[in-house]
Amino acid sequence: QKEVEQDPGPLSVPEGAIVSLNCTYSNSAFQYFMWYRQYSRKGPELLMYTYSSGNKEDGRFTAQVDKSSKYISLFIRDSQPSDSATYLCAMSAYLRMDSSYKLIFGSGTRLLVRP
Amino acid sequence: EAGVTQFPSHSVIEKGQTVTLRCDPISGHDNLYWYRRVMGKEIKFLLHFVKESKQDESGMPNNRFLAERTGGTYSTLKVQPAELEDSGVYFCASSQEYVKGLGAFFGQGTRLTVV
Repeated sequence: QKEVEQDPGPLSVPEGAIVSLNCTYSNSAFQYFMWYRQYSRKGPELLMYTYSSGNKEDGRFTAQVDKSSKYISLFIRDSQPSDSATYLCAMSAYLRMDSSYKLIFGSGTRLLVRP
Repeated sequence: EAGVTQFPSHSVIEKGQTVTLRCDPISGHDNLYWYRRVMGKEIKFLLHFVKESKQDESGMPNNRFLAERTGGTYSTLKVQPAELEDSGVYFCASSQEYVKGLGAFFGQGTRLTVV
């Protein structure tokens, strides 16, 4: 079983729609939860991060973390064609064995916003 | 400010050959990370440099992979000899501080194809 599960999509929505992207995870030790956006042939770009449970809002983007359900979400309001990209969730936990934190990525959800 | 730069953007080599990937981090960033995404899978951590020292190389798949960071500036990742399963996109990322595995700035990646 993967540590982080993410539906690969593709998810196709009309312009202006509210988009909901989700990830589930199995490791309760994860503390930091991140969302990356990746355009084609580019590297991932950090959109938002959240520590522990709760919500965080940044413009049209809202990140939610529910640690009790091991479930995180990214909502995009008033979606635009320029939001079309692959969205990757990532999580981080301190690994005692390696004395370090690592990023564990989901496989990414491809989003297409139709004009 | 220049971002993280990776060379080459794409490399096609035959099985058994050697390939060297290069990463130029953002100037002043002590932390440098290598990640890899093989086809259909999620992005996975390979290793982490702090300046010229390897902080964590627990993600390196085997001894055919050798990473160096001369003088704490640019880094190279050599694969020798390359195997078919090494095909994928190799990402480099850098950050000024090691902030609990949080996002660094990613390069655009090097797409490696082993035939």
